[in-house]
Amino acid sequence: KNEVEQSPQNLTAQEGEFITINCSYSVGISALHWLQQHPGGGIVSLFMLSSGKKKHGRLIATINIQEKHSSLHITASHPRDSAVYICAVNSLRDDKIIFGKGTRLHILP
Amino acid sequence: DVKVTQSSRYLVKRTGEKVFLECVQDMDHENMFWYRQDPGLGLRLIYFSYDVKMKEKGDIPEGYSVSREKKERFSLILESASTNQTSMYLCASSFLGGWGENIQYFGAGTRLSVL
Repeated sequence: KNEVEQSPQNLTAQEGEFITINCSYSVGISALHWLQQHPGGGIVSLFMLSSGKKKHGRLIATINIQEKHSSLHITASHPRDSAVYICAVNSLRDDKIIFGKGTRLHILP
Repeated sequence: DVKVTQSSRYLVKRTGEKVFLECVQDMDHENMFWYRQDPGLGLRLIYFSYDVKMKEKGDIPEGYSVSREKKERFSLILESASTNQTSMYLCASSFLGGWGENIQYFGAGTRLSVL
């Protein structure tokens, strides 16, 4: 079983829909990251979380440390949000980074 | 804006060739990283460096070496390229401290094909 699981693997939605991507992990962590990778490969760091909730524009990230779960929400989704979203955690056990396999999001106009 | 520049977006090499992938960052970051990304496997750490001339193995260092002669430049070397090294390679940099403390900034990636 992977230590970081994302769901769904793929998501297609209409423009304007509210999007939720989930990340569950099984190790103790010091921080969780959400990354965005556009077609072509470049990766952008969206959020770094260790507790609570963060908001940036239409993006919201939440984390529940007790439940070992994080969600990334996109409000009023737009075709330019189409990308792969990757969850990554910093493991307390060995201070290593563990990546999820990513969620491919496609927003239709 | 932080800029992490990888020298090539696409590269095609032959089996057995020596391959250099270059990465330059302009934010005076101490840490630099090389990852490879494969379908179904996600991102995996090959090597990282926390200072000039310092290097640490990541999860999959076999078949690779690195060089950091200057703070802003981190090179990934494939001594003798093999077909199983066909992949997307991503460079990243950050201030000192691990993923638990700092955001990493990524380059655009180099898609390497080894024929």
